[in-house]
Amino acid sequence: NAGVTQTPKFQVLKTGQSMTLQCAQDMNHEYMSWYRQDPGMGLRLIHYSVGAGITDQGEVPNGYNVSRSTTEDFPLRLLSAAPSQTSVYFCASSPTGISLHFGNGTRLTVT
Amino acid sequence: GNSVTQMEGPVTLSEEAFLTINCTYTATGYPSLFWYVQYPGEGLQLLLKATKADDKGSNKGFEATYRKETTSFHLEKGSVQVSDSAVYFCALRFRDDKIIFGKGTRLHILP
Repeated sequence: NAGVTQTPKFQVLKTGQSMTLQCAQDMNHEYMSWYRQDPGMGLRLIHYSVGAGITDQGEVPNGYNVSRSTTEDFPLRLLSAAPSQTSVYFCASSPTGISLHFGNGTRLTVT
Repeated sequence: GNSVTQMEGPVTLSEEAFLTINCTYTATGYPSLFWYVQYPGEGLQLLLKATKADDKGSNKGFEATYRKETTSFHLEKGSVQVSDSAVYFCALRFRDDKIIFGKGTRLHILP
C-alpha cells in the first residue's frame, strides 16, 4: 500500500516556466488537497477536492490550477512560475470526515 | 474568518519536563480539531483528534481536550522525550471538509 505519492521530490524552474506536480493515492479517498509550507507561515491550503470532478479554492489559490478527473489523482499546475512560489508542496488525502494522510512533499525552487 | 492560532516557537524544554502548546481557533459552527506532528525531512502525521466539544484526543502520551467555551485545543504531555523534538501543527476541519492549519510550533527537547 503506497499511500500518497508525490512526484517529483525536487524541482528547479525558471521564472515563467510551467509545470505539474503530481499526486496519486491508492486508498480510494474522496478528499484530496494541496498545501504549501513556508518558514513562519505553516501550511496554507491551495486547492482541495471532495471527489472526482469537484474542486474548490483554499486560502492561497492564485497562480495554481487543479483538476480531479479520477479519484486517485490530483495534479497541481503552475502555469507561469514565480519566485514567490518557491516552497515545499504537500499533497494530502482523506476519507471524508477523517484526518489527512500526507505525501512526502515536493521541494520547488523558482529562480 | 476562520483561523487557527498557535503559540510562537521555538519551545525548548529539558527531557521529562511538562509540555503545553497552546492552540485557539475562530470558526463558525463546530469544527473537528487535530494535532499533527512533522519530524525533520518528513510529511505531517496525525497525532490526535477530537470531533466534538469535551472530547479528549490522546496518543503517545500526548493529550488535548476540545474546549468549546474557550475555543481551544491545547496540546499537553506530562514528560517529554528527546524523540518528541519536531514541529507540531494544530488544525481545523470544517463541514465542507476544508482543513486549515496553524503556523506550527517547533519543539526542541534537550537531553
